[in-house]
Amino acid sequence: QVQLQESGPGLVKPSGTLSLTCAVSGGSISSSDWWSWVRQSPGKGLEWIGEIYHSGSTNYSPSLKSRVTMSVDKSKNQFSLELRSLTAADTAVYYCARPGVTVGNAFDLWGQGTMVTVSS
Amino acid sequence: EIVLTQSPGTLSLSPGERATLSCRASQSVTNTYLAWYQQKPGQAPRLLIYGASNRAPGIPDRFSGSGSGTDFTLTISRLEPADFAVYYCHQYRRSPGTFGHGTKVEIK
Repeated sequence: QVQLQESGPGLVKPSGTLSLTCAVSGGSISSSDWWSWVRQSPGKGLEWIGEIYHSGSTNYSPSLKSRVTMSVDKSKNQFSLELRSLTAADTAVYYCARPGVTVGNAFDLWGQGTMVTVSS
Repeated sequence: EIVLTQSPGTLSLSPGERATLSCRASQSVTNTYLAWYQQKPGQAPRLLIYGASNRAPGIPDRFSGSGSGTDFTLTISRLEPADFAVYYCHQYRRSPGTFGHGTKVEIK
């Protein structure tokens, strides 16, 4: 059974860079075409950050595009998110998720989420 | 960007009652790419409905989805205690994918 697990620092300074990794276990990262990142600010709704194809192609949210880079490491069976020039508005729970081909590419698999606080 | 507006913001109901949640899109969404999720405090969202009306594996049949174009509905036929949560609609046809702001179903 495929599982996702996010990892990264819980606290990052303003103007700094956030780096998160999503480890895929129980299956190959190549078993799905796309992998996504979604975030949720405290008490707020869900925001799609972007997606990466297992070969490395990407799509990013226009509102974050200038600050986001996603990458995939097949050898480690994981994919990553980098978000630059952080402000307090980037404080959120960050989730990695999988669009499932058996459910029409809705997000059928989610990591548990990792809380990231941007503060000095 | 397609904006999804969910209503009501909060729905106060008793166990056993029927819940009807609305999701309206700012432009037409292909049915195939409209989903509903349930989220409980401290947990990741859980997929309930995909393709506007298809239940995800393991989802009880008291959950049903309907709608087309710009108007979609999630119905919970008889609320059980485990159903009190926040529900989000999601369109993933056009990048960027977008979510509604959620409807909280709370115990009356």
